Amino acid sequence: GAVVSQHPSWVICKSGTSVKIECRSLDFQATTMFWYRQFPKKSLMLMATSNEGSKATYEQGVEKDKFLINHASLTLSTLTVTSAHPEDSSFYICSARPGQLVFYEQYFGPGTRLTVT
Amino acid sequence: QKEVEQNSGPLSVPEGAIASLNCTYSDRGSQSFFWYRQYSGKSPELIMSIYSNGDKEDGRFTAQLNKASQYVSLLIRDSQPSDSATYLCASISGSARQLTFGSGTQLTVLP
Repeated sequence: GAVVSQHPSWVICKSGTSVKIECRSLDFQATTMFWYRQFPKKSLMLMATSNEGSKATYEQGVEKDKFLINHASLTLSTLTVTSAHPEDSSFYICSARPGQLVFYEQYFGPGTRLTVT
Repeated sequence: QKEVEQNSGPLSVPEGAIASLNCTYSDRGSQSFFWYRQYSGKSPELIMSIYSNGDKEDGRFTAQLNKASQYVSLLIRDSQPSDSATYLCASISGSARQLTFGSGTQLTVLP
């Protein structure tokens, strides 16, 4: 159980275009989803936290107009990188937390590798 | 000041040995503790969670929590080359509601 999927697993896009990444919790309802990015050999960096039906909370320094997050249902969240630039190339990973909040377990998707040319 | 500290390693152990990974945390309000394994180029995978003082065993993995000492550890028995990865310690407090990660310990199990 507790499977999180992401699509696509990798994407190459041209500078200036937008890319949408989907994150789904397959066998549980996720009241909270998180988006991270990770550069090679670096730590995970939390970008934003989203709760179903409400606006995402962005971490300091993350441009909310550039990284659009939508948590439309209890099993789906999307991250859209708008007007992508080469410096946005990174490994984007979503994570989901089941509705039961007692222990706050959090499960990660397989990640999406974005390359902007 | 980082709230979760790990022995940065890298740590190398021979196949079949016990690998010991350690973590300390500064927030006494932390309630839940997790160990994630991350292979190179992959996303983190939850391998252990612990919430109460003492030991918790799952197969070859044993997590230990000592809240008085603010210390969490992970023991991997009979280490295998496939255990070679970066291990991330994480905690969460009720107020923060988000994971705080340590910087990770890179483990190499030598065949």
